[in-house]
Amino acid sequence: DIQMTQSPSTLSASVGDRVTITCRASQSISSWLAWYQQKPGKAPKLLIYKASSLESGVPSRFSGSGSGTEFTLTISSLQPDDFATYYCQQYNSYSLTWTFGQGTKVEIK
Amino acid sequence: QVQLQESGPGLVKPSQTLSLTCTVSGGSISSGSYYWSWIRQPAGKGLEWIGRIYTSGSTNYNPSLKSRVTISVDTSKNQFSLKLSSVTAADTAVYYCARDKCNNSGCTRAFDIWGQGTMVTVSS
Repeated sequence: DIQMTQSPSTLSASVGDRVTITCRASQSISSWLAWYQQKPGKAPKLLIYKASSLESGVPSRFSGSGSGTEFTLTISSLQPDDFATYYCQQYNSYSLTWTFGQGTKVEIK
Repeated sequence: QVQLQESGPGLVKPSQTLSLTCTVSGGSISSGSYYWSWIRQPAGKGLEWIGRIYTSGSTNYNPSLKSRVTISVDTSKNQFSLKLSSVTAADTAVYYCARDKCNNSGCTRAFDIWGQGTMVTVSS
């Protein structure tokens, strides 16, 4: 199985800060990497798919990069609505299975 | 606009089988080449993919749950279902159904449409 390591687990930041979250895969997953935002009591919301493609309707301050084993989600200027938990998710094209990272909670500093 | 809605018992006794249904509205479950998945989340914890089904009926499951999971589809009712057998307290979670995002370029292996989730508690 491919393991996903997401870091940090918690991040304290201020409005306007540039924020970066990292996800590492234990082996190459090509670009089968997605990022989600989740708020309490709500279903996750897709932000980025295929490592760097911005989902329709998602603000352009969100961006994704990487391929192979290392991926990043960047929020260029943190807004009040962005305080939430973020998850990466990988797809293993060999075993046809999905795995999520452990999550990163973005808190108000 | 396709929407998903989970339904099923909110309380299941230990050792019994958890059964949930996801109803697809706003579109046909058979249209397009979509995969339909179940995902769960214990309170305060992360997300765990359970398994998926294609409209043809082919399935893939999380290896850690494979021995206990069955996912099926009923195209006549526009629904797909989850059965998880021999449940324990560790299976207590919010259960989501979700759809793989697909477009003219193919499927992205990301979930763009989610149900609101349904809480299932395993307790006697």
